[in-house]
Amino acid sequence: DSGVTQTPKHLITATGQRVTLRCSPRSGDLSVYWYQQSLDQGLQFLIQYYNGEERAKGNILERFSAQQFPDLHSELNLSSLELGDSALYFCASSVQDLRTDTQYFGPGTRLTVL
Amino acid sequence: GIQVEQSPPDLILQEGANSTLRCNFSDSVNNLQWFHQNPWGQLINLFYIPSGTKQNGRLSATTVATERYSLLYISSSQTTDSGVYFCAADPTGGGNKLTFGTGTQLKVEL
Repeated sequence: DSGVTQTPKHLITATGQRVTLRCSPRSGDLSVYWYQQSLDQGLQFLIQYYNGEERAKGNILERFSAQQFPDLHSELNLSSLELGDSALYFCASSVQDLRTDTQYFGPGTRLTVL
Repeated sequence: GIQVEQSPPDLILQEGANSTLRCNFSDSVNNLQWFHQNPWGQLINLFYIPSGTKQNGRLSATTVATERYSLLYISSSQTTDSGVYFCAADPTGGGNKLTFGTGTQLKVEL
């Protein structure tokens, strides 16, 4: 158990809908990262927050957004869902915002768009 | 961006055998991690190893930063070692984000 929690574990929804994925980082960790794992794209970085502020952006679609709240939990919002958004979404956390920090991954949320 | 390549893509072992997985990366790195993704999809941290050698039980890893590669050694493999092994790197000149390789799918048979 990494100490990172994600809810829900599974999510099934329809095209065009909007969903919210939630992540709670390990106790004491200030940085949260979101990654997407799909069959065609592999594992790729989406976005990072540190202590409530956006720090880095990767291949995140405009239909996707994220935020980190004062209690340090984070939410990833996916809207106007398409079939291709079906994937495993991971949240990771690290202590600070240093490139030398180890990132610890949560169990993931498996999203299926029908 | 940084390129991370892993080999072999697939590996089948008999229980008790040893193996070496390789990760090549195209730029110098601040962060290099190895993960095991189990059959249930969970990503488990194995090593944080931007340089040098580390050991944890039957697993060990070595990163030669100057030559831009890392090796993961699995000794006396067990069926529970099955899954996908990923290497991920954060380049020195990049942001604080990991770029993953495509993984090595390992199956350990009795």
